[in-house]
Amino acid sequence: SQELEQSPQSLIVQEGKNLTINCTSSKTLYGLYWYKQKYGEGLIFLMMLQKGGEEKSHEKITAKLDEKKQQSSLHITASQPSHAGIYLCGADGSGGSNYKLTFGKGTLLTVNP
Amino acid sequence: SQTIHQWPATLVQPVGSPLSLECTVEGTSNPNLYWYRQAAGRGLQLLFYSVGIGQISSEVPQNLSASRPQDRQFILSSKKLLLSDSGFYLCAGKRGFGGYTFGSGTRLTVV
Repeated sequence: SQELEQSPQSLIVQEGKNLTINCTSSKTLYGLYWYKQKYGEGLIFLMMLQKGGEEKSHEKITAKLDEKKQQSSLHITASQPSHAGIYLCGADGSGGSNYKLTFGKGTLLTVNP
Repeated sequence: SQTIHQWPATLVQPVGSPLSLECTVEGTSNPNLYWYRQAAGRGLQLLFYSVGIGQISSEVPQNLSASRPQDRQFILSSKKLLLSDSGFYLCAGKRGFGGYTFGSGTRLTVV
């Protein structure tokens, strides 16, 4: 099965600072998803990446999938307290209709005002 | 667009009692459906997934079972809850090449 390793496990930054979260896969990534979660709540979809070298941005969050499709990074520019939460990367490595989304263990982000 | 409904939001159950969590899908037909658990720590563990009515795949051996009696209904059950069943349960759905949509979750505490 596909294993995803996220780093760092937790991160504390001062408001306004930039930060990067990494997600490394044990296998080739066919679909890489980034989600954000507030503790005890559901997951909020951020972005999906499929092509090697692909980069997507939404507001101050940018995600990239490397050319070899085994690593993704999530970059937040000028962080704000609203960015705080748990960031999860997920991947579904199966083809056809039997998609199975598995997750890394998450990165807990704290943004201090 | 697809919406996942889960209830209840929180549940406190005694050890040995039965469990039934329901997940319903709105806005799409024939989705793949998933049950996840988030225990202590932050990772989400895939418990079950279903590609159609009556079709259930189990990812990990456990005290839980799942059923899909209708296309847009996915149920997570247990005959006798254990303390270790406590956690945050999330239902998710996927249709075709779209993304995965998650419900708001149920926090289960077994006492």
